[in-house]
Amino acid sequence: DQQVKQNSPSLSVQEGRISILNCDYTNSMFDYFLWYKKYPAEGPTFLISISSIKDKNEDGRFTVFLNKSAKHLSLHIVPSQPGDSAVYFCAATGRASGNQFYFGTGTSLTVIP
Amino acid sequence: DAGVTQSPTHLIKTRGQQVTLRCSPISGHKSVSWYQQVLGQGPQFIFQYYEKEERGRGNFPDRFSARQFPNYSSELNVNALLLGDSALYLCASSSRGAQGTDTQYFGPGTRLTVL
Repeated sequence: DQQVKQNSPSLSVQEGRISILNCDYTNSMFDYFLWYKKYPAEGPTFLISISSIKDKNEDGRFTVFLNKSAKHLSLHIVPSQPGDSAVYFCAATGRASGNQFYFGTGTSLTVIP
Repeated sequence: DAGVTQSPTHLIKTRGQQVTLRCSPISGHKSVSWYQQVLGQGPQFIFQYYEKEERGRGNFPDRFSARQFPNYSSELNVNALLLGDSALYLCASSSRGAQGTDTQYFGPGTRLTVL
């Protein structure tokens, strides 16, 4: 039962343009959402998070948007840089799930110079 | 400050053998979680420990077990290895564990290959 879904396995974007990565979830009890970035042969690196009491959180070039009614979140990267090329995972958790993290299957982002 | 560390980085075992993976959390973090990541998938939750007690268990068989030590480091044990256990095993630490939602920080992982 995949509670967190990333329906786009890959995305290619030109350097300097916006990258938008999407994520959907099914469990309405999730109240904390995160994005992780993963390079090959490394563990996931925390990027940005958002609590369910907010609908937007920004950190530099990275912004996460949360639409609770649609059970959808997205990560915007502006401007995209070649070093952003990696696999991006969204994750969801909440007190009701005992802080267990549920991950999507990942989106591989390629930023073309 | 050192991040989450895991050992070994790579491991090759044969079917039926047993394996022990080790993890040291970020200093000050009391919660450790273990995940299995197979190629093309996201990490799948195996266990969470907080203050040396099991606080969560994912949908994995009893061949998988874990423990947390007084210094908050942790071991993951897998018995009677199957080919399907080949994966990247990730350890993550956080400060609050199941006491509240908190960011988990991951180690580099242990790549287990079962032949």
